[in-house]
Amino acid sequence: GDSVTQMEGPVTLSEEAFLTINCTYTATGYPSLFWYVQYPGEGLQLLLKATKADDKGSNKGFEATYRKETTSFHLEKGSVQVSDSAVYFCALNTNAGKSTFGDGTTLTVKP
Amino acid sequence: DTAVSQTPKYLVTQMGNDKSIKCEQNLGHDTMYWYKQDSKKFLKIMFSYNNKELIINETVPNRFSPKSPDKAHLNLHINSLELGDSAVYFCASSPAGQKNTEAFFGQGTRLTVV
Repeated sequence: GDSVTQMEGPVTLSEEAFLTINCTYTATGYPSLFWYVQYPGEGLQLLLKATKADDKGSNKGFEATYRKETTSFHLEKGSVQVSDSAVYFCALNTNAGKSTFGDGTTLTVKP
Repeated sequence: DTAVSQTPKYLVTQMGNDKSIKCEQNLGHDTMYWYKQDSKKFLKIMFSYNNKELIINETVPNRFSPKSPDKAHLNLHINSLELGDSAVYFCASSPAGQKNTEAFFGQGTRLTVV
């Protein structure tokens, strides 16, 4: 079946550090890939997405590239801020419209 | 206007009670979901409805019963609440069968069973 494997957390970084959260997937066909962010006390919201191979999604300084050859969609940000502290979920959607989420990675950014 | 709204935001109740959580979306989506998020932030799908019809029913105790009176609403009723039901429950919606479109989540209902 479909699955998403995320880098285990928690991840703690200092402000302005470089962030990478790894995400790999297994799916039949050609899924769309998503990163969602969950700020404390809130629901998940879309951070960025990519719908086909080699697409790059970007938003709020975050980027992720859909790599079909390595079945990966790693999330990166060049300089994190305290306000980026949140839980990050990698997810995929299949042609049938079914969503599969990773286990989430908690990021804490310290001043 | 809130796209996906669920009520209540917090729910504290005693073991053995029956409670309901309501969810409404004004996005015109055909598909709605209930997810359970545990204390480690793991997100697990419980149910999915497409246009009022149940399409996903994961391994969830029979005490949990979803009800969809119309495609804009998906409520969750829980009978005989147990301590292990304490979690945050999220409602979400998405357009049917569109893999390129993200799901939209409500703010969550934090259920505490004492």
